[in-house]
Amino acid sequence: GENVEQHPSTLSVQEGDSAVIKCTYSDSASNYFPWYKQELGKRPQLIIDIRSNVGEKKDQRIAVTLNKTAKHFSLHITETQPEDSAVYFCAASRDSTLTFGKGTMLLVSP
Amino acid sequence: KAGVTQTPRYLIKTRGQQVTLSCSPISGHRSVSWYQQTPGQGLQFLFEYFSETQRNKGNFPGRFSGRQFSNSRSEMNVSTLELGDSALYLCASSLSAGGREGYTFGSGTRLTVV
Repeated sequence: GENVEQHPSTLSVQEGDSAVIKCTYSDSASNYFPWYKQELGKRPQLIIDIRSNVGEKKDQRIAVTLNKTAKHFSLHITETQPEDSAVYFCAASRDSTLTFGKGTMLLVSP
Repeated sequence: KAGVTQTPRYLIKTRGQQVTLSCSPISGHRSVSWYQQTPGQGLQFLFEYFSETQRNKGNFPGRFSGRQFSNSRSEMNVSTLELGDSALYLCASSLSAGGREGYTFGSGTRLTVV
């Protein structure tokens, strides 16, 4: 089955800095890659996703890039704000159930 | 419209007991997936139901089972509870199988086994 590795497990940045979270996947046939944000005590929420026919997607301060050859994808957050502090999960899927990474705790200090 | 509703929110059970958790998906969503969330392990897939059929199952022992009803509501059952079953159990609903247009998660059921 699919295996998704996510790094780093914890990331601390200063407000205004950029943050990058990286994930690798094992199944070369995976074709859907969403990112979820989970604030403390709340449910995970979809923030952005990308499909295998696209290399990059942006939505305001967040962007996701996909490298199918290397089987990795990344989340980029620019101009970080304290409200970006949360756990971020990447996931991968091949027309099937989502397999999640173990999460990255992002801490943005004012 | 109403979101994904999970009941109960909190449960405390003793070892050896069994428990049933419930999930009502967003109206019109036919797929319900269940995940176990524990610190350090992230979200581990339990199973997915679509139109009352189990579509996929994760690597959990047979003590974990589920079902889906004709109104798409789903239940998850854990028998012979162990201490290691303590976790947040999340269900997620989506329009189609596999969550390819995105999951909407419920708030979860926090299960504590003592």
